Amino acid sequence: EAGVAQSPRYKIIEKRQSVAFWCNPISGHATLYWYQQILGQGPKLLIQFQNNGVVDDSQLPKDRFSAERLKGVDSTLKIQPAKLEDSAVYLCASSSWASVGGGQETQYFGPGTRLLVL
Amino acid sequence: AQRVTQPEKLLSVFKGAPVELKCNYSYSGSPELFWYVQYSRQRLQLLLRHISRESIKGFTADLNKGETSFHLKKPFAQEEDSAMYYCALRSGTYKYIFGTGTRLKVLA
Repeated sequence: EAGVAQSPRYKIIEKRQSVAFWCNPISGHATLYWYQQILGQGPKLLIQFQNNGVVDDSQLPKDRFSAERLKGVDSTLKIQPAKLEDSAVYLCASSSWASVGGGQETQYFGPGTRLLVL
Repeated sequence: AQRVTQPEKLLSVFKGAPVELKCNYSYSGSPELFWYVQYSRQRLQLLLRHISRESIKGFTADLNKGETSFHLKKPFAQEEDSAMYYCALRSGTYKYIFGTGTRLKVLA
């Protein structure tokens, strides 16, 4: 099966500009995650979707970050305006909800988008 | 607070030596613990999960609820094991919390 796709792979912007990232999950995967991974740290969950509904966005800086998952498939993550500290790799992951309770739910990660804010 | 701690940023071992990557967690309920691995120029991927109690690529990990630990072990390291390893905890709402990662270098 095709993996999680993300674009662009790299993006360089100046502070106060806006940027958007796109994610296409594995076909049929109901759950989609966006993570921020700052250099030297582990991935930090920004937002979790179940189909097109938000399950958790407690760590999303909502004054500048927004995300949507229209029709429960593709998702976009936007930053407006960007700050220097937003420089990071943004990872998208998806998983199948079909095995809830079975313990076999597995996250599959995309290649990530590396963002540099100057 | 929910937290995953990996105390070592870098672990260097010689080929054939045993490996233990440490992971401690803080969670109020019954957690599910995972190890993820990222090889050079590859995507982050699941290595193993505690619930499966299986050995993957020679690696095993045992959940110790008393010590709140989930250390990753391998008796004989191979050069191809060199990678970044992340311990992760999954909450009841399927939210994942990752540690800061340990870079394993296996020296020839």
